[in-house]
Amino acid sequence: NAGVTQTPKFQVLKTGQSMTLQCAQDMNHEYMSWYRQDPGMGLRLIHYSVGAGITDQGEVPNGYNVSRSTTEDFPLRLLSAAPSQTSVYFCASRAPFLDEQFFGPGTRLTVL
Amino acid sequence: AQTVTQSQPEMSVQEAETVTLSCTYDTSENNYYLFWYKQPPSRQMILVIRQEAYKQQNATENRFSVNFQKAAKSFSLKISDSQLGDTAMYFCAYMDSNYQLIWGAGTKLIIKP
Repeated sequence: NAGVTQTPKFQVLKTGQSMTLQCAQDMNHEYMSWYRQDPGMGLRLIHYSVGAGITDQGEVPNGYNVSRSTTEDFPLRLLSAAPSQTSVYFCASRAPFLDEQFFGPGTRLTVL
Repeated sequence: AQTVTQSQPEMSVQEAETVTLSCTYDTSENNYYLFWYKQPPSRQMILVIRQEAYKQQNATENRFSVNFQKAAKSFSLKISDSQLGDTAMYFCAYMDSNYQLIWGAGTKLIIKP
């Protein structure tokens, strides 16, 4: 099993550009989530999904869109990147009613 | 709303020493999970240890153990016989009844040779 994979590992964008951060898991986990990590702060939840076709907002959803068409994939879209979105982004997945979350390797995004 | 506080932004100890990282949390729930995650320079999030709130016995994983004080809402991590590979950011996290994780700001731990 590859676990949770994220692409790309690094990305530099200009203000106003759009892009999609990819996340996939091969553990058949229903629950997937996106976090952002900023210096001096813990991870903050952006969006999450409890299964294909179901998504919901987390603590900091503004500026981000998600969709969940399959159990395996949970992409995060930035429609118009802003410097405030410079961060490290983590995708995670979890089996239903179990507590352990499995994290991807992260994507470092810089918006100029 | 639940909050998690890690009051030590950075700590450093000599190799082989024992170090304790502090974490306090605030909640009105009775059933929850607590975690310590390690984030080395590789950036990968690694689960170190977990504690179920209903269990009175403190969790232990090899050199890592916790001191869980439910009434005081305290969840400290003790690392015994520290090794150079323990150098990392350590995050305390609380999982609520909806399985959502709330994170502390982290403690940077440096193990000196």
